[in-house]
Amino acid sequence: KQEVTQIPAALSVPEGENLVLNCSFTDSAIYNLQWFRQDPGKGLTSLLLIQSSQREQTSGRLNASLDKSSGRSTLYIAASQPGDSATYLCAVKRGSSGSRLTFGEGTQLTVNP
Amino acid sequence: SQTIHQWPATLVQPVGSPLSLECTVEGTSNPNLYWYRQAAGRGLQLLFYSVGIGQISSEVPQNLSASRPQDRQFILSSKKLLLSDSGFYLCAWRLAGGTDTQYFGPGTRLTVL
Repeated sequence: KQEVTQIPAALSVPEGENLVLNCSFTDSAIYNLQWFRQDPGKGLTSLLLIQSSQREQTSGRLNASLDKSSGRSTLYIAASQPGDSATYLCAVKRGSSGSRLTFGEGTQLTVNP
Repeated sequence: SQTIHQWPATLVQPVGSPLSLECTVEGTSNPNLYWYRQAAGRGLQLLFYSVGIGQISSEVPQNLSASRPQDRQFILSSKKLLLSDSGFYLCAWRLAGGTDTQYFGPGTRLTVL
């Protein structure tokens, strides 16, 4: 059974700092991995999707990396801003068919002005 | 552009009462649709998904059910709510045959008393 863990559960940083969020998964046989953002009381917004054959994806100040063999992914946020404050979740998909995503519990990020 | 709606936004129901949550998607055809639940201290849990009208797959045995009466309408129901049904319910859609990116609705906060 796939298990996804995100550490730390919460993180508080000053504005402008570069930071890394971690995601680990127990079964390395994944098809892809996604990073989502969730604002309090809101739905999820997809940030980046990395296919198993890829090592990283970039969007603006966000860079996600994937090391499938070690079961790890990181989300790097450059020059953090107060607007980045949210919960960040990672999710892995097992195969090319089927629809199940297995989510981590998320890292709650607070960027202080 | 595509949009996804959920209602109601919040709901407080007594134990044993029925439930009906609705999700609709605009701007796309034949989407894959999903119901998730997010409970305090737990990750997102996939409850149901649907690849077409009348086609429902259940991921977790429970007292909930789902229906898809129309192509872009997904309904989550229960005949008798339990305390453990409290949580944040999220509907999501994915373009069939497209990328694995899932797009989430704003969610419904359900409190069972």
